[in-house]
Formats: sequence, C-alpha cells, structure tokens
Amino acid sequence: AQSVTQLDSQVPVFEEAPVELRCNYSSSVSVYLFWYVQYPNQGLQLLLKYLSGSTLVKGINGFEAEFNKSQTSFHLRKPSVHISDTAEYFCAVSPLLSGGYNKLIFGAGTRLAVHP
Amino acid sequence: GAGVSQSPSNKVTEKGKDVELRCDPISGHTALYWYRQSLGQGLEFLIYFQGNSAPDKSGLPSDRFSAERTGGSVSTLTIQRTQQEDSAVYLCASSLASGSETQYFGPGTRLLVL
Repeated sequence: AQSVTQLDSQVPVFEEAPVELRCNYSSSVSVYLFWYVQYPNQGLQLLLKYLSGSTLVKGINGFEAEFNKSQTSFHLRKPSVHISDTAEYFCAVSPLLSGGYNKLIFGAGTRLAVHP
Repeated sequence: GAGVSQSPSNKVTEKGKDVELRCDPISGHTALYWYRQSLGQGLEFLIYFQGNSAPDKSGLPSDRFSAERTGGSVSTLTIQRTQQEDSAVYLCASSLASGSETQYFGPGTRLLVL
C-alpha cells in the first residue's frame, strides 16, 4: 500500500519570500510523484511530476521539487512567492501497477497563504 | 481546446434520493478517473475506466456507488440512497492513455446531502 504525508497543513509566508512545502511518502513499489495545485473552486492543476532521471524537476509558475529516494521525500520549493500562489497544494504518488494506469494517492494538502 | 467538464457544478439533495454526476473528458482521452474530495477523508480515488470498462473499482465506498462510461467518452457516477456522509466534491480526470502520467481534472461537482 502507499501513503503520502504532507507535514504542514498550512504555511503562511510573505510575498517574495521563499517557501518549501514538505511531502513524504511510503510505498512498497516504485512510484511516480506529483504536485498538484488547487485554486479556490477549481479543479486540480498539475505543477510538476517526477517519473525518473534527474531528481530535480522544474514545473510551472517557477516551482521545483527534489526527489530524495533515501528519505522518501518530494518537497516543493519556490524561491520567491507571489500573492497569486495562494492555493492548496497536493502531493500525490502513483504506484507503477501492472495494469499500466496511474491511480493517484494524495496527501491531505497544504494550504499556502501568501501575505503582502 | 476544451478541458474536462462536469455537471452539475453543485447539487443539493435529500438523504435517501439518488443522484447522477456527469463527466465529459477531453476528446480522445481513453483513460478516465473519478476521485472524491471530502473534509474527513481528503482526496480519494474511486474508479478508473479504460475505454468503457472499469478494471479498477476498488475505491468505490459501497454498493450504493456505481459508474459507467459509454462510447469511450462520457461517464456518469451514480449514488443511490444518498447519505449525509456522501457530501463531498466529486472530481473527474482524464488522460490520453492509461499509461499517460498526466491527468487533467475537471472543476468538480459539489454534492450536499441534507
């Protein structure tokens, strides 16, 4: 079975400050890793994904994440946040199942609040 | 192009009534997923379709929940005899193929059971 833990339910930060949203996972099989963002009253939008290769992945809106296999972590970072980054962020894993499809298992989410 | 659409956007129903939620995936996407987002349980996988068949229904919470997909396109999620604990946002996602890693999500249907 797989599980995802997002260590912070809420992260307040000032505009133009750096931010890190933490994510740890547990899985007995190999997984793909994702970060999704959800703006109020909207669906989920993919920020970035790690499938294989370089452990540092870059996504949209200036976000990046680093996969750390030994620590089973996939933390999301942005060097300078904007007010418009205020949203809920979800870390997710997808086990590499024999059926070849991608069932997403989500963390509980982290609410990022950017203040002026 | 058009994204994933869901209808209705909001649904209020009385306990015990049946509801149908609709998902229109992106044209040409063969894989379709339903998820549920609730306060108590977070985001949970419900069911996966490849074409019109559902090889993974493992997330459906009870036999009151069913889903179908027709023509390899539109999907409906049906909840019979709704209960208050069914109140949640039901999200649909589609991807180009079953092995495609990127799922595109619709805006969701917010269901409230009174």
